[in-house]
Amino acid sequence: DQQVKQNSPSLSVQEGRISILNCDYTNSMFDYFLWYKKYPAEGPTFLISISSIKDKNEDGRFTVFLNKSAKHLSLHIVPSQPGDSAVYFCAARGNQAGTALIFGKGTTLSVSS
Amino acid sequence: SAVISQKPSRDICQRGTSLTIQCQVDSQVTMMFWYRQQPGQSLTLIATANQGSEATYESGFVIDKFPISRPNLTFSTLTVSNMSPEDSSIYLCSVLITGATTSGGYTFGSGTRLTVV
Repeated sequence: DQQVKQNSPSLSVQEGRISILNCDYTNSMFDYFLWYKKYPAEGPTFLISISSIKDKNEDGRFTVFLNKSAKHLSLHIVPSQPGDSAVYFCAARGNQAGTALIFGKGTTLSVSS
Repeated sequence: SAVISQKPSRDICQRGTSLTIQCQVDSQVTMMFWYRQQPGQSLTLIATANQGSEATYESGFVIDKFPISRPNLTFSTLTVSNMSPEDSSIYLCSVLITGATTSGGYTFGSGTRLTVV
């Protein structure tokens, strides 16, 4: 049973517009959430994270929103750029020290110019 | 954040053979993880490798198939044994830097793309 779900396998957006990537989770014990970006032939690179005690974290063009009651988080990219085209993974961590991340299946974002 | 060197970056192997993947970190880390990403799938945790103790395997993964070594705080290997085409995947190592203020604490290697023929 998947604990972290990204139900949209792909998303297409025009340059300059907002990209919204969604993620749902089932385990209420998750206390930390992260978004990674992955290009082909490369490992995932960290984008932004949010602790379960917050509902929003912003870093430049990237903002992550967390709705704990709905067990839902989203990544907003504004404005979207062609270089943002990649696979985006949502990941979550349990509340025990040193635990590994659990990933969703990823969403492929395509930003057209 | 840590810098990870993962080798090989890719390989094509015959079924029935074994491949050892190396993960070298530029700093000492306690927690190291090995993941597998099958085509179109998420990153799935294979095992957690802590120095000085046996690796802890996730459900569906066994030591005989995926033996792991962790001889020190900067190095680990994952072996994919007796390979079959179903083992064709990207294998990634990851480390956790406790107290890191960047990368969320978790850093990944560039991955090993394995094709079994």
